[in-house]
Amino acid sequence: EAGVTQFPSHSVIEKGQTVTLRCDPISGHDNLYWYRRVMGKEIKFLLHFVKESKQDESGMPNNRFLAERTGGTYSTLKVQPAELEDSGVYFCASSQARVGVLDFGPGTRLLVL
Amino acid sequence: AQKITQTQPGMFVQEKEAVTLDCTYDTSDQSYGLFWYKQPSSGEMIFLIYQGSYDEQNATEGRYSLNFQKARKSANLVISASQLGDSAMYFCAMRENSGGSNYKLTFGKGTLLTVNP
Repeated sequence: EAGVTQFPSHSVIEKGQTVTLRCDPISGHDNLYWYRRVMGKEIKFLLHFVKESKQDESGMPNNRFLAERTGGTYSTLKVQPAELEDSGVYFCASSQARVGVLDFGPGTRLLVL
Repeated sequence: AQKITQTQPGMFVQEKEAVTLDCTYDTSDQSYGLFWYKQPSSGEMIFLIYQGSYDEQNATEGRYSLNFQKARKSANLVISASQLGDSAMYFCAMRENSGGSNYKLTFGKGTLLTVNP
């Protein structure tokens, strides 16, 4: 069984540019989560999808961040325009059940210059 | 609000010895779950062990065990017989089970474990 995959693994962009991160959850996992770790800080929750619906987006930092999960399969997280403080590692995770263990992807390392 | 505290930024252990990584938590929920994840240098987050707040026995998974002391609100990870491959960042996390739609994890800052040969 393939695990959670994320693309790209690394991204270096300039302030003001747009970046789109992609996450492919484990097949059959209805629950998809985005988390972020900014350098030196804790891993923070961003949002939670159940199938294609946003269940909880309370962790999204501001309206420069837009997450979608069309068709309830893969998800994208777009940052537009990117700011310096957006640099960090963005993790995607999925689970079959709402209270199940989260399977994490390898993360996307974003650096905004 | 939930909070996870990992007081050890870094830990060293000799190969084949046991090591305890500390984790304390703060929650007003009666029902919650505690997790430990490992993050090696390659970056992926690997699930290690889970403890539910109502579980009476401490969770064990191979060389990993969770020393759950509910009254003290601690959930320390014990790794027995450390191996070089155990060198990694270790994160403690908590999930509240208070119903509704919120099942997000709250993480600690992590402990970097180095196993010396």
